[in-house]
Amino acid sequence: ETGVTQTPRHLVMGMTNKKSLKCEQHLGHNAMYWYKQSAKKPLELMFVYNFKEQTENNSVPSRFSPECPNSSHLFLHLHTLQPEDSALYLCASSQSTLAGGVYEQYFGPGTRLTVT
Amino acid sequence: DAKTTQPNSMESNEEEPVHLPCNHSTISGTDYIHWYRQLPSQGPEYVIHGLTSNVNNRMASLAIAEDRKSSTLILHRATLRDAAVYYCILRDGFGGGGADGLTFGKGTHLIIQP
Repeated sequence: ETGVTQTPRHLVMGMTNKKSLKCEQHLGHNAMYWYKQSAKKPLELMFVYNFKEQTENNSVPSRFSPECPNSSHLFLHLHTLQPEDSALYLCASSQSTLAGGVYEQYFGPGTRLTVT
Repeated sequence: DAKTTQPNSMESNEEEPVHLPCNHSTISGTDYIHWYRQLPSQGPEYVIHGLTSNVNNRMASLAIAEDRKSSTLILHRATLRDAAVYYCILRDGFGGGGADGLTFGKGTHLIIQP
């Protein structure tokens, strides 16, 4: 148990559906992250939020839309996905400051997404 | 970002020490060396990190070469639960307000034989 939970754990959706992934952290962290892990590819960073502000978008297509309403919650809204978007989507959180530093990230168990 | 190079896979026997190497010849002076591992069907978990000196914690030890161009993660007594993919990642100590994403490579797939 890492203190980061993700729901749902498994999701099957059609290409015309709209769904959302939810991440919640109980660690008092200020930074949250979305990563994507496709089969046979390294884990890829998608988005970074620091103190509720998006600080990084790693050239992610607009069919993925993140939302961070507060420091404890992070959502990934999905719409009109493609089959190649099927992957494990991982959320992470970390301590952060506005002055720099290096802090370990705590990952959730991931949501296994299948797009049909 | 500075790049790391790791062997694709390694095999070891249970209850023996394991030395996982990582090369990072282009490391900069402000880069920290981090190790994460990903057990089957789980998200990655932090293992250890260091800058210049060797580091120990309850999970592992990190030995850093004097020129910092390579490092070794040491599991002192491997168990079957240590079978995972191990990632060596460089992180800039002055980047991102502490909120910079991790750049994962392919890592080393560690196989533990009973």
